[in-house]
Amino acid sequence: AQSVTQPDIHITVSEGASLELRCNYSYGATPYLFWYVQSPGQGLQLLLKYFSGDTLVQGIKGFEAEFKRSQSSFNLRKPSVHWSDAAEYFCAVGVEDSSYKLIFGSGTRLLVRP
Amino acid sequence: ETGVTQTPRHLVMGMTNKKSLKCEQHLGHNAMYWYKQSAKKPLELMFVYSLEERVENNSVPSRFSPECPNSSHLFLHLHTLQPEDSALYLCASSQEKAGANTGELFFGEGSRLTVL
Repeated sequence: AQSVTQPDIHITVSEGASLELRCNYSYGATPYLFWYVQSPGQGLQLLLKYFSGDTLVQGIKGFEAEFKRSQSSFNLRKPSVHWSDAAEYFCAVGVEDSSYKLIFGSGTRLLVRP
Repeated sequence: ETGVTQTPRHLVMGMTNKKSLKCEQHLGHNAMYWYKQSAKKPLELMFVYSLEERVENNSVPSRFSPECPNSSHLFLHLHTLQPEDSALYLCASSQEKAGANTGELFFGEGSRLTVL
């Protein structure tokens, strides 16, 4: 069965520092991979997605993620974090069949120090 | 209005009450979803409707009853809930299947439910 693991429950970084949030997935074929962000009191918003092609994908708000098949990973990065990036981040995997399901990880809460 | 709108934003109910959550999407999408978000747990897919037909029902207890009268509206009817049902209930929509290569979920802000 497909699964997604986000090993870090909380991460704290200083404003202006770089960020990397980890995501590992379990799926036999090539997955469709997503990162969503949830600000306090809000629903989830798509940051970026990977389906095929270039393994480095660019998203909104200056985020990028790299698909590494050998490591079954899809880590999210940002070179310089802003205070407004404080939120919860969810990695998700979709499957290439008729399913409507996205399998979400448990999320990583990002705290930003001034 | 734009996007996905959920009402009410907050709901407190007793275990014997009957209430409903409403979701409306203004995006012209074909599919609508209910997710449950509990503390420290991954998002749980509850129901999916595609073109007003239910296509997913993830072993959700019968005290949760969805209704999709048209492609823009989705309801979640609640009856005799338990305290463990307290959670944030998120509605989402998508143009295509969420797991397919064109799929992207658009979420509402959620309805925070507390069951006493």
